Amino acid sequence: NAGVTQTPKFQVLKTGQSMTLQCAQDMNHEYMSWYRQDPGMGLRLIHYSVGAGITDQGEVPNGYNVSRSTTEDFPLRLLSAAPSQTSVYFCASSYLWGEGQPQHFGDGTRLSIL
Amino acid sequence: AQTVTQSQPEMSVQEAETVTLSCTYDTSESDYYLFWYKQPPSRQMILVIRQEAYKQQNATENRFSVNFQKAAKSFSLKISDSQLGDAAMYFCAGTTGNQFYFGTGTSLTVIP
Repeated sequence: NAGVTQTPKFQVLKTGQSMTLQCAQDMNHEYMSWYRQDPGMGLRLIHYSVGAGITDQGEVPNGYNVSRSTTEDFPLRLLSAAPSQTSVYFCASSYLWGEGQPQHFGDGTRLSIL
Repeated sequence: AQTVTQSQPEMSVQEAETVTLSCTYDTSESDYYLFWYKQPPSRQMILVIRQEAYKQQNATENRFSVNFQKAAKSFSLKISDSQLGDAAMYFCAGTTGNQFYFGTGTSLTVIP
């Protein structure tokens, strides 16, 4: 089982550039989410989805867009990268949201904005 | 909404000894779940243990156990017989509804 796959693992961007962080899961999970991890701040929820065609904002959604056209994929888009978006990004998924199922995490993407 | 607080940025323990990591949370919901995740230097997020709020019995997974004090809104993690491989960042997390909330983490060092 591949689980949750994130690509790329590392990326350097210039301010103002756009890019998409890819996330795919092969566990038929309904729920998918994106987090950013910054030193001393834990993981903060950016966006989440409870199923194909349904997305919602988390704690820190500004500057990020998401879509969920299939159950498997949940890409995160940075439209105009800013240095404040330098972070480690994690994608996660789980079954049957609302029943306290633990999330399965990808290996993360380290993103640097110059 | 829910808040999760970890007041110990760093902890250390001698190999084979026991250590307890603290976590407090705040929620107005009656139905919620609490978790401890481990993040080793490899950066992977690994589930350690899960607790359902409606269960009074404390969850246990091998050398890992929790002390869940619902009235005090406390959810501490006890690691027994600490091993070198336990060295990692530990995150406490909680969920109500559709969102997970994480604490800021405790960095655990295991001293040989």
